[in-house]
Amino acid sequence: GQNIDQPTEMTATEGAIVQINCTYQTSGFNGLFWYQQHAGEAPTFLSYNVLDGLEEKGRFSSFLSRSKGYSYLLLKELQMKDSASYLCAVPQFSGGYNKLIFGAGTRLAVHP
Amino acid sequence: DVKVTQSSRYLVKRTGEKVFLECVQDMDHENMFWYRQDPGLGLRLIYFSYDVKMKEKGDIPEGYSVSREKKERFSLILESASTNQTSMYLCASSQFESNQPQHFGDGTRLSIL
Repeated sequence: GQNIDQPTEMTATEGAIVQINCTYQTSGFNGLFWYQQHAGEAPTFLSYNVLDGLEEKGRFSSFLSRSKGYSYLLLKELQMKDSASYLCAVPQFSGGYNKLIFGAGTRLAVHP
Repeated sequence: DVKVTQSSRYLVKRTGEKVFLECVQDMDHENMFWYRQDPGLGLRLIYFSYDVKMKEKGDIPEGYSVSREKKERFSLILESASTNQTSMYLCASSQFESNQPQHFGDGTRLSIL
């Protein structure tokens, strides 16, 4: 089966750096996704990691360690607009089909 | 850009009604999905479809059915709405491969009175 854990809530200050962790247990591994979801809006794709290491994309970076079943999303130079929920998700391939298993999400509040 | 369009942003229905939620995508994606999202529970998969006329149950299919008559359209049906189906419903689509992200519609906030 699949199990994904993320902290429920985090707070941070504008301009700071924040790291959002995600641990997962899967019966097979096909990569890991991060999504951002602002309140009342649809989730939007941020990153996909399938190999170990850090992938940087502007102010956002995502890290993966397959041996530890661990990923994190790093947000630098935080802005107020980064206040959102961040969802970690892993694909599950079962019966010939792909579907995503989502964590419950981490709600990030950025304060001035 | 991928566009996933859900027919309504807000919907209010009564207990026992049959409710239809429509979703259309414009990128010729093979896969389409219906989720519901509730506070503290995250996104839970109701049904998904990997091809026209094909459907698979997700994690919480009870009380729901789906229809995919055309590749671009995936409908969610609440056969007899109940108050515990009050939720945010999100539709998504993706290419078949597991390394391709899902693209979401804006969601339908459904209230069952």
